[in-house]
Amino acid sequence: DGGITQSPKYLFRKEGQNVTLSCEQNLNHDAMYWYRQDPGQGLRLIYYSQIVNDFQKGDIAEGYSVSREKKESFPLTVTSAQKNPTAFYLCASSRDRGYEQYFGPGTRLTVT
Amino acid sequence: DAKTTQPTSMDCAEGRAANLPCNHSTISGNEYVYWYRQIHSQGPQYIIHGLKNNETNEMASLIITEDRKSSTLILPHATLRDTAVYYCIAQGAQKLVFGQGTRLTINP
Repeated sequence: DGGITQSPKYLFRKEGQNVTLSCEQNLNHDAMYWYRQDPGQGLRLIYYSQIVNDFQKGDIAEGYSVSREKKESFPLTVTSAQKNPTAFYLCASSRDRGYEQYFGPGTRLTVT
Repeated sequence: DAKTTQPTSMDCAEGRAANLPCNHSTISGNEYVYWYRQIHSQGPQYIIHGLKNNETNEMASLIITEDRKSSTLILPHATLRDTAVYYCIAQGAQKLVFGQGTRLTINP
């Protein structure tokens, strides 16, 4: 089955620790995205990548980092510099920018 | 990307058609209207999109006004599983901007 996988579904970390969220797609999509969602809110774009080895900041990139070494993979690192990291993180991919996006199931990160 | 305006919440009876409105009065000529929905605690799901013409697929129909300033998503026979938050987005080649959407509740 083609799709997007995110792991783990739930993640717990202590304040001050970096944590990396996984996102893999087998849809052969060029573009990949990371969003953050807070309770009762819409999605906000963290980073996006249109092609391997290239990525751009979204609206709320501070405290986050990404890499795109392979077409299939777009991991997100939440660093200790992110002031309020507890949130629901969603990864998506699309054939190219401007096309419909397909989302993974999300990772719920809790930092205490 | 153009801003969209949607009602905060709507109710619909099971088996009836659910009509979800969206205003996008500042939409530009190259921006498509996209609809997604998000069921609680899941990732959003793409539903349908269109530019000028009405569109239909297995999930829904999209009606876009001639001036493109508003659109309506129609779920023809709503079921309880259609309860979700529905997002209307005007998208060009730039990023998607998800507002707070419409919380649609399907009642038995």
